[in-house]
Amino acid sequence: AQSVTQLGSHVSVSEGALVLLRCNYSSSVPPYLFWYVQYPNQGLQLLLKYTSAATLVKGINGFEAEFKKSETSFHLTKPSAHMSDAAEYFCAVIAPNAGNNRKLIWGLGTSLAVNP
Amino acid sequence: EAGVTQFPSHSVIEKGQTVTLRCDPISGHDNLYWYRRVMGKEIKFLLHFVKESKQDESGMPNNRFLAERTGGTYSTLKVQPAELEDSGVYFCASSQTRSFDTQYFGPGTRLTVL
Repeated sequence: AQSVTQLGSHVSVSEGALVLLRCNYSSSVPPYLFWYVQYPNQGLQLLLKYTSAATLVKGINGFEAEFKKSETSFHLTKPSAHMSDAAEYFCAVIAPNAGNNRKLIWGLGTSLAVNP
Repeated sequence: EAGVTQFPSHSVIEKGQTVTLRCDPISGHDNLYWYRRVMGKEIKFLLHFVKESKQDESGMPNNRFLAERTGGTYSTLKVQPAELEDSGVYFCASSQTRSFDTQYFGPGTRLTVL
């Protein structure tokens, strides 16, 4: 069965530092990959998605992610963290053979803290 | 354009009671999904509607959960009778018809069963 692993349930960075949130998927066939963010007291918002086009995907708020098939990874990065980036980040996939079953399969989430 | 809305935002009920959660998707979105996040665990899929039909309900925990989507518009998720393990945040999402379109999420309903 498809699964998603996010390494590190809590990540803390200093303002201005690089943000790196890790996501690995388990599938021999690349799935469709998503990063969502949940700011405090808000719903889930799509940051970016990979659907078999360019392997480097740019999203909102300066985030990007690179799909690496050889590593079965889709890590999320941002060159310089802002205080407003403090939130919980979720990696999710849709299985490549999903057909009409487009359910998202989620990682556990990573809570990002940004220190002044 | 209005986003996905969910009501109520919070619900606290006692074990054995009934609760109904409501989701209003973005207008024109045929696909509607329910997900749940139990504390400390990953978000899990519950079910997927296409218009008024259930496309996939493989994630529904048991027959205490009943989901409906009247006329292909809003959806309700009823839990009857509620158990302690039903506590969590229930998210609703909607998307357009094309494959792998972005799922737009509501703010969630936090359900606490005492």
